[in-house]
Amino acid sequence: SQQGEEDPQALSIQEGENATMNCSYKTSINNLQWYRQNSGRGLVHLILIRSNEREKHSGRLRVTLDTSKKSSSLLITASRAADTASYFCATDSTGANSKLTFGKGITLSVRP
Amino acid sequence: DGGITQSPKYLFRKEGQNVTLSCEQNLNHDAMYWYRQDPGQGLRLIYYSQIVNDFQKGDIAEGYSVSREKKESFPLTVTSAQKNPTAFYLCASSTLTGSRVYFGPGTRLTVT
Repeated sequence: SQQGEEDPQALSIQEGENATMNCSYKTSINNLQWYRQNSGRGLVHLILIRSNEREKHSGRLRVTLDTSKKSSSLLITASRAADTASYFCATDSTGANSKLTFGKGITLSVRP
Repeated sequence: DGGITQSPKYLFRKEGQNVTLSCEQNLNHDAMYWYRQDPGQGLRLIYYSQIVNDFQKGDIAEGYSVSREKKESFPLTVTSAQKNPTAFYLCASSTLTGSRVYFGPGTRLTVT
């Protein structure tokens, strides 16, 4: 079952521009996480935001969470060619035996 | 140097053969996971384990088996019953289920 759904599926921007990626989910969560994956590699954790938090920053990353709309956004400011990768949101649902459920991912291309 | 290792990076097998993918972690994490990734499908959970000698089925466990005899190790066997085994397999671990997850580099399995 796919809990998180990212939007758009693919995004192409010019270096220096900001990239905004969205994630929607269906059930109540403990936290929402964003990961990055370079082609053919494992995923790397970017940021975790808890259900009682609304916004979080880490370097050029800004994550927001709106639990009333069951949605989150990841903003990458001043993008670089090296930001080219796939980005996934993952949700940790409430309840017994909770486990992370990943979306299908967003492919970001940053043109130099 | 702490982390998760998966071996081999590429694996080729003939149809009808069982194959075991290795996953080892030295992060002292209790929880370990196996995900399967297909193009355009994101990550799907195969099995996960929260403690030694115990594991639970994920969303797509059919045709797979696991063991957790040691905290550090969580091997995955892809059996001949798995109808479409060619995929990228990712092992991961975390301190607790639902917390930040650390991924291995992945094993690309090709079955012909």
